[in-house]
Amino acid sequence: QQQVKQSPQSLIVQKGGISIINCAYENTAFDYFPWYQQFPGKGPALLIAIRPDVSEKKEGRFTISFNKSAKQFSLHIMDSQPGDSATYFCAASGNTDKLIFGTGTRLQVFP
Amino acid sequence: EPEVTQTPSHQVTQMGQEVILRCVPISNHLYFYWYRQILGQKVEFLVSFYNNEISEKSEIFDDQFSVERPDGSNFTLKIRSTKLEDSAMYFCASSEESGGVGEQFFGPGTRLTVL
Repeated sequence: QQQVKQSPQSLIVQKGGISIINCAYENTAFDYFPWYQQFPGKGPALLIAIRPDVSEKKEGRFTISFNKSAKQFSLHIMDSQPGDSATYFCAASGNTDKLIFGTGTRLQVFP
Repeated sequence: EPEVTQTPSHQVTQMGQEVILRCVPISNHLYFYWYRQILGQKVEFLVSFYNNEISEKSEIFDDQFSVERPDGSNFTLKIRSTKLEDSAMYFCASSEESGGVGEQFFGPGTRLTVL
């Protein structure tokens, strides 16, 4: 019940395309859903986060869509750029500070 | 921009040896964390720390692990007797607030290799 399932494991997108990464959870106590971006050799960095009181949050080219009833949330990267090539992790937490991470998606954006 | 720093960047040790991984959290942060990432796998929570006490720990954080804030700036993770399976990237993180309100800022990590 503490798991966060993430898909796909890897994603190849052409420059300018839309990258979509999906996550699902079971624990209804989760109330904070961040997405982290990780470049090789670096620590995860917060990209964007959402709480269940809204269904969508947009920051620049990055959008989180949240479906509370389905217990799913997704990251959309519009106009994907080669510089977006990284590993993306969804995560969740609720009532505690512990972040439960998904398994990660390796995104490659080709020019 | 303030950042979390970690030393060393890479630590190689023999099985059974003790290691101490060091972190300097962001200066005004009050909540501190350790996570680990085995190569190619997801990031896993180890422990959270606030007000000089462990707030929460995972099943991974057994008696071989301990954390300490020895002074006002450092936050350390000690592994008493390392095992081969402790080989991983260890990330320190800190936040200004808790309970998912405060963003957790991650350091660059320490790669621990146990031979």
